[in-house]
Amino acid sequence: GAVVSQHPSWVICKSGTSVKIECRSLDFQATTMFWYRQFPKQSLMLMATSNEGSKATYEQGVEKDKFLINHASLTLSTLTVTSAHPEDSSFYICSAATGGAGQPQHFGDGTRLSIL
Amino acid sequence: GNSVTQMEGPVTLSEEAFLTINCTYTATGYPSLFWYVQYPGEGLQLLLKATKADDKGSNKGFEATYRKETTSFHLEKGSVQVSDSAVYFCALKSAGNNRKLIWGLGTSLAVNP
Repeated sequence: GAVVSQHPSWVICKSGTSVKIECRSLDFQATTMFWYRQFPKQSLMLMATSNEGSKATYEQGVEKDKFLINHASLTLSTLTVTSAHPEDSSFYICSAATGGAGQPQHFGDGTRLSIL
Repeated sequence: GNSVTQMEGPVTLSEEAFLTINCTYTATGYPSLFWYVQYPGEGLQLLLKATKADDKGSNKGFEATYRKETTSFHLEKGSVQVSDSAVYFCALKSAGNNRKLIWGLGTSLAVNP
């Protein structure tokens, strides 16, 4: 149980392109979803927290107009990297949580984004 | 504020060796504690968790005990395998309804045959 599917797993695109990453909870309803960015050999950096039906809460230093997050339903959240540039190349990971505060986050397999 | 400190890696062991990865935390109240594992090229998987003092989380031969008196949650395994090679992250979630996780920097483990 508690499967999170993230798509695509790998994307390569030209500079200036907008890229959308989907995060789906397959067998549970995710009241909260998280988006992380991970640089090589580093820990996860939380970008934003999204609750279904409300605006995402962005961490300090994360550009909300650059990284658009939509949490339209209890099973789907999307991250759109707008007008991507090479410095946006990274590993993006989503997670989903449900239930009480003691419940863990369940992670997708990540999306490797490479901007040429 | 809340924080998690993990031992620095990389850790290199031979197969069947004993593993300890130290994790200590700073938090108010009674946080929940987690260990996540990230295999090469993959996302994170929950390995084990503990939600109150003296709880022991266990999974796949790994164990960690929530020690309030030493504010620690060290990860142990009695006999590691090559397939355990991965990056291990200790994480904390503070008490209350805030679901945000506070992460350690991760410890890379390489197990040689």
